[in-house]
Amino acid sequence: GENVEQHPSTLSVQEGDSAVIKCTYSDSASNYFPWYKQELGKRPQLIIDIRSNVGEKKDQRIAVTLNKTAKHFSLHITETQPEDSAVYFCAATPTGDKIIFGKGTRLHILP
Amino acid sequence: DTGVSQNPRHKITKRGQNVTFRCDPISEHNRLYWYRQTLGQGPEFLTYFQNEAQLEKSRLLSDRFSAERPKGSFSTLEIQRTEQGDSAMYLCASSFQGSGWSPLHFGNGTRLTVT
Repeated sequence: GENVEQHPSTLSVQEGDSAVIKCTYSDSASNYFPWYKQELGKRPQLIIDIRSNVGEKKDQRIAVTLNKTAKHFSLHITETQPEDSAVYFCAATPTGDKIIFGKGTRLHILP
Repeated sequence: DTGVSQNPRHKITKRGQNVTFRCDPISEHNRLYWYRQTLGQGPEFLTYFQNEAQLEKSRLLSDRFSAERPKGSFSTLEIQRTEQGDSAMYLCASSFQGSGWSPLHFGNGTRLTVT
């Protein structure tokens, strides 16, 4: 299969708290897992990615973890800020060279 | 701006008409992808090219859809006999694939409305 499941579909967190978005994939051949942020009316933009030979990657307030055995990966945003409000998409690379996206998580940062 | 460029930004057409969209990728990128995105959903894979070769087309894609990348640079996506269900944002993305994965760079998309 080539499915990428993402949850939750909507997430509201208080400003300053952490947000976690989780994804699972079905094809064990997947070896690249990017995360994209899409603000209203704008194009998706890469925020972080991880390859299958790495279990965790961090970039300032953003981190991604990968569990290849369980076929799931997660995005962690710490110390959330108003500008973090957006839709976030996870993606994976099943057999072949295409990138398949999850359905997205709408993140609301509450003041 | 040397990013991915898509034209037109908006297209309104009547059901049954044909439409064609254009994508100009980042110049040194050898991979070009087409996705479709509807409100509240993630980008849905349509097809992709390695240079001028179309390597895969989604099984979900109707025969009314065709894409080309004749010289390995810009690409066109044509939809024949449009239907209301074709209304969506059509996104193009490009990347450079060498020995491993590199990020996709998306264009701003073409929003298609079929009336």
